[in-house]
Amino acid sequence: QKEVEQDPGPLSVPEGAIVSLNCTYSNSAFQYFMWYRQYSRKGPELLMYTYSSGNKEDGRFTAQVDKSSKYISLFIRDSQPSDSATYLCAIPAAGNKLTFGGGTRVLVKP
Amino acid sequence: EPEVTQTPSHQVTQMGQEVILRCVPISNHLYFYWYRQILGQKVEFLVSFYNNEISEKSEIFDDQFSVERPDGSNFTLKIRSTKLEDSAMYFCASSTVLSNQPQHFGDGTRLSIL
Repeated sequence: QKEVEQDPGPLSVPEGAIVSLNCTYSNSAFQYFMWYRQYSRKGPELLMYTYSSGNKEDGRFTAQVDKSSKYISLFIRDSQPSDSATYLCAIPAAGNKLTFGGGTRVLVKP
Repeated sequence: EPEVTQTPSHQVTQMGQEVILRCVPISNHLYFYWYRQILGQKVEFLVSFYNNEISEKSEIFDDQFSVERPDGSNFTLKIRSTKLEDSAMYFCASSTVLSNQPQHFGDGTRLSIL
């Protein structure tokens, strides 16, 4: 079983819609969870950083962690064309080595 | 906002040649990393570096690879004898402390091996 998995998409939504992104992981020892945004030919840009279960909100972004299901989510409210990018979940393993999901490509259409 | 900078943005090299990729991490960060992303694939961990030594390395990081912090600001990745399969985006990252703190990434160097 792969450590961190994401649906590759693409996920196409109209401007203003809520974007819902998910990631599953296999190791129940994971405690910290991150979401990065990656534009084409750019590096991953940190969006959200959460610890353990629960919700965290930052502007239009909400991250959710459900440790019992080993499932993390990112929601983007009032999506904009500038939100079109690939969204990567990443989980630090021992030694802070980040394990990334494959990313979900999101396209927000005006 | 402080950022990680990488040079060059694109490097084209003949197979078998040595290549050095350069990074300037965020100035108060102590932990440094290299990752790579082959086109269409996941971002993969290569190596972490702290206090002038390697903390951890992946199985990808074989004897052809080395890292160095030659001065107080630069962090380099050297590939001694490049192979076609080394063609990828190479990302440098840095963080303040080791335990589960977020890593901040540069925009990468696209390495093309001919």
